[in-house]
Amino acid sequence: KAGVTQTPRYLIKTRGQQVTLSCSPISGHRSVSWYQQTPGQGLQFLFEYFSETQRNKGNFPGRFSGRQFSNSRSEMNVSTLELGDSALYLCASSSGGANYGYTFGSGTRLTVV
Amino acid sequence: GQQVMQIPQYQHVQEGEDFTTYCNSSTTLSNIQWYKQRPGGHPVFLIQLVKSGEVKKQKRLTFQFGEAKKNSSLHITATQTTDVGTYFCAPPPYGGTTNKLIFGTGTLLAVQP
Repeated sequence: KAGVTQTPRYLIKTRGQQVTLSCSPISGHRSVSWYQQTPGQGLQFLFEYFSETQRNKGNFPGRFSGRQFSNSRSEMNVSTLELGDSALYLCASSSGGANYGYTFGSGTRLTVV
Repeated sequence: GQQVMQIPQYQHVQEGEDFTTYCNSSTTLSNIQWYKQRPGGHPVFLIQLVKSGEVKKQKRLTFQFGEAKKNSSLHITATQTTDVGTYFCAPPPYGGTTNKLIFGTGTLLAVQP
């Protein structure tokens, strides 16, 4: 059974640009969550999608957005990038949401210069 | 809102020594999950505890859920270098209706051979 696939693995962007990250969950998993991980803030919840609907959102500015497609694949977008957006972005899939174990992808390492 | 604190933030042990990390919540939890993240890796699901006072073992790892369901612990017996990494607790909100898995601050374990 394939795991959670995130692309790209590494990304370097310039301040002001926008970026789109992709996540393909485990087959059959309908819940996809996104997290931002930085050394100073730890794992911060961005949002969670289930069956194409955003069920919950973390405390991030509107520059961070996401969506989920009918095949459960998800994308997150960050517009007008800032230096502080440099982080590891992790996607996690679950069969049902927060009460089930999450399977994480390897993440996308975003560097904003 | 729900707050989750883990202690200690960092622990350095000699190989063969025991290790314990504690997770404390300000609110009652419906369940709690534990994850391990190796350096440079992504979080990997270890276990979920659901019942008050529950104790589960995985080889040298022992997980406990408090009677009041507000705290949990992970104990590693006779640490090995393969145990190196950050251990996170992650409790869903009580009732699990918001599907927003919040991760604790994590405990970084270093094991000296």
